[in-house]
Amino acid sequence: DAGVIQSPRHEVTEMGQEVTLRCKPISGHNSLFWYRQTMMRGLELLIYFNNNVPIDDSGMPEDRFSAKMPNASFSTLKIQPSEPRDSAVYFCASSFSEGGNEQFFGPGTRLTVL
Amino acid sequence: DQQVKQNSPSLSVQEGRISILNCDYTNSMFDYFLWYKKYPAEGPTFLISISSIKDKNEDGRFTVFLNKSAKHLSLHIVPSQPGDSAVYFCAASSRTGGSYIPTFGRGTSLIVHP
Repeated sequence: DAGVIQSPRHEVTEMGQEVTLRCKPISGHNSLFWYRQTMMRGLELLIYFNNNVPIDDSGMPEDRFSAKMPNASFSTLKIQPSEPRDSAVYFCASSFSEGGNEQFFGPGTRLTVL
Repeated sequence: DQQVKQNSPSLSVQEGRISILNCDYTNSMFDYFLWYKKYPAEGPTFLISISSIKDKNEDGRFTVFLNKSAKHLSLHIVPSQPGDSAVYFCAASSRTGGSYIPTFGRGTSLIVHP
């Protein structure tokens, strides 16, 4: 059974470029979460969706960040334009809101903005 | 201001001994607590959880203790094994908008020496 799938695993880009991170949640899960992990701030929740609807995006750092979930099996996190301070590991996680409270994380995308 | 604190960034333990990882929280609305384990280049994986109505939950070598009055929880690993070497994240959550939304600590890196 496939877990949460994220792509790409690594992304190196130049400042000012657009970056799109992708996530496929576990089939049947109805909640999806985007996190960012940095040394300074640890694991931060950026945004989460319930049944494809964004519920709370208060963790999104700036207007340069946007996230979409067009259907139950796909979500994107976009940064435009990217900046060096966006360099971090970005995790996607999914869960079933009526089930256990644990989340299932993908392997993460390591983003480096030069 | 951090609502979930793991004050020890690292812990070193000898194989076979007990590992005790600690976590403090400030928000009394949290009613569900989880521990995740993270290996390098992988996403966090759920380890064990505890509801606020309990003070102890055990799963094999792993036991989580909750002291609500002190707003403190701890994870005990007995006996510790080299394969337990990882970063351990404490998370505290409350139900918001239909999902349990966790707030993570910054993690404790556990090293178990053979």
